[in-house]
Amino acid sequence: SQELEQSPQSLIVQEGKNLTINCTSSKTLYGLYWYKQKYGEGLIFLMMLQKGGEEKSHEKITAKLDEKKQQSSLHITASQPSHAGIYLCGADSTGTASKLTFGTGTRLQVTL
Amino acid sequence: DGGITQSPKYLFRKEGQNVTLSCEQNLNHDAMYWYRQDPGQGLRLIYYSQIVNDFQKGDIAEGYSVSREKKESFPLTVTSAQKNPTAFYLCASSPDTSYSPLHFGNGTRLTVT
Repeated sequence: SQELEQSPQSLIVQEGKNLTINCTSSKTLYGLYWYKQKYGEGLIFLMMLQKGGEEKSHEKITAKLDEKKQQSSLHITASQPSHAGIYLCGADSTGTASKLTFGTGTRLQVTL
Repeated sequence: DGGITQSPKYLFRKEGQNVTLSCEQNLNHDAMYWYRQDPGQGLRLIYYSQIVNDFQKGDIAEGYSVSREKKESFPLTVTSAQKNPTAFYLCASSPDTSYSPLHFGNGTRLTVT
């Protein structure tokens, strides 16, 4: 089965700093999804990447997909306290999008 | 507003008892999913259903059962056969299985003692 490794596992950054979270797959990526979760709550969809080299941005969050490396990165520019939470990547390795495998998550804290 | 409702938010049961977690969606989505989340292990797929009256086992289906009698409802029963039932359970849905992102409910935290 597909495995997704996220790094780092946790991150503490000062407000205003930039940060990057990585997600590496053990198998070919047909689709890569990024979600954010507040502790004890559901997952909020952020972005989906499908094609190698694809890059998407929403407000201060940018996600990229490196198909050859089977890796995706999530970059946050000028972090704010509202960015704090757990970021999870999910991937489709079947090409059908019927089953997603998720990484273990990266816990982000933003200090004032 | 459309969304996915999971109830209750917290559930406590004694060991040996079956318990059913509710998941209802009014998004008119065809596919529904149940995931389990444990600390340090991410989300693991329990069961999923792509159409009414049909469902498939996920990666950790042992000790769980589901039904899909209505499009909007996908209840999960945690049976006494599940060895470690204490966890955070998340229900999700999607319009179809063609690269549509999953929409998640707010989860049910089940504690079995």
